[in-house]
Amino acid sequence: GESVGLHLPTLSVQEGDNSIINCAYSNSASDYFIWYKQESGKGPQFIIDIRSNMDKRQGQRVTVLLNKTVKHLSLQIAATQPGDSAVYFCAEKADYKLSFGAGTTVTVRA
Amino acid sequence: DTAVSQTPKYLVTQMGNDKSIKCEQNLGHDTMYWYKQDSKKFLKIMFSYNNKELIINETVPNRFSPKSPDKAHLNLHINSLELGDSAVYFCASSQGQFMNTEAFFGQGTRLTVV
Repeated sequence: GESVGLHLPTLSVQEGDNSIINCAYSNSASDYFIWYKQESGKGPQFIIDIRSNMDKRQGQRVTVLLNKTVKHLSLQIAATQPGDSAVYFCAEKADYKLSFGAGTTVTVRA
Repeated sequence: DTAVSQTPKYLVTQMGNDKSIKCEQNLGHDTMYWYKQDSKKFLKIMFSYNNKELIINETVPNRFSPKSPDKAHLNLHINSLELGDSAVYFCASSQGQFMNTEAFFGQGTRLTVV
């Protein structure tokens, strides 16, 4: 499953499939980006980050891609599991603060 | 051990009241933040403190006053509460002054003004 465009509030994905969550950021001066996961009733949890001198970074089951030319960030989750159901936020750092995009709600279908 | 802890988790109060939310971090971080999350899940920074000094104040009404007694604590006091203040408030902390590393968030305080 994939969210497309500037923002899609929800993404439904079959368990075991790969998920792609997209994010357009606003500030061309942003030099640090983070993906957060927020489960119901909890605070945002760090997933993975990437600095502006990189275009790809991999973690455990997650990959973040950065395209500075079009100011686009994506999070890929491999083999999506039920525990991946949450709201996902991209955040960009500029002017010494972290600004969050509108979240994408990911629902994993069994 | 909870890295960033906030109290209380839930707060229900009447319009016009004054209330405080407390935050403590045991990560040894230099910088702490308050974020507000509205009903549409949009997260917006309110304040940031570095070593007890105010760094960021994002056009928040004067009714909101943060206080940092030491670098491990950042409390938020709200005067004359309004219905529009209802939201989830998150405290966070990070290492360094310039937000070059990830921020760790508390579990949030759900404030409901009736």
